[in-house]
Amino acid sequence: EIVLTQSPGTLSLSPGERATLSCRASQSVPSSYLAWYQRKPGQAPRLLIYGASSRATGISGRFSGSGSGTDFTLTISRLEPEDFAVYYCQQYGNSPQTFGQGTKVEV
Amino acid sequence: QVQLQESGPGLVKPSETLSLTCTVSGGSMSIDYWNWIRQPAGRGLEWIGRIYTSGYIDYNPSLKSRVTMSVDTSKNQFSLNLRSVTAADTAMYYCARGPSGWFYFDYWGQGTLVTVSS
Repeated sequence: EIVLTQSPGTLSLSPGERATLSCRASQSVPSSYLAWYQRKPGQAPRLLIYGASSRATGISGRFSGSGSGTDFTLTISRLEPEDFAVYYCQQYGNSPQTFGQGTKVEV
Repeated sequence: QVQLQESGPGLVKPSETLSLTCTVSGGSMSIDYWNWIRQPAGRGLEWIGRIYTSGYIDYNPSLKSRVTMSVDTSKNQFSLNLRSVTAADTAMYYCARGPSGWFYFDYWGQGTLVTVSS
């Protein structure tokens, strides 16, 4: 199965700053079938990005995804207070689908 | 807006069966895949399996020997049974929708914590 490694484990930033989260796969992800999710304590995870770069319905334009092959990036252009959360990547191009360990974006 | 809600016992004894139900509201179950995902404390998310309303089922090979999923469209529910549980099965369990057969998840439940302990 494809192992996803997210870095850094924790990202300490201030509101208004740019966040760059990395997701590296142990082998190429077919068709760039990679998704990103946001999870806040006590809330359901929320889909942000699918297909490596397509924003999900209702997701702010400050979230963008890029990458292909084994290297993928989630960028939050200007952090808003509600963006401080844990972010997970997931590959779904190879069965079984797998998730990264998460990156915590903290103030 | 589609909403999912997990329900079931929060405590299961070792060697017994963990049983959870996910109730779907705000939409039809007919064209999507319905998934179970879990996250043990301090560990990553793990996909358990998915079911389609036709009865098609797909399990994670790592859990396949212990998992059974079912769907009841009359109640807008789908269920998970995980047999012979151990402490390693203690986790937050989520149900989620895979839209139109895709393997990513656009709607999730809030999750339910299941602890395996005697």
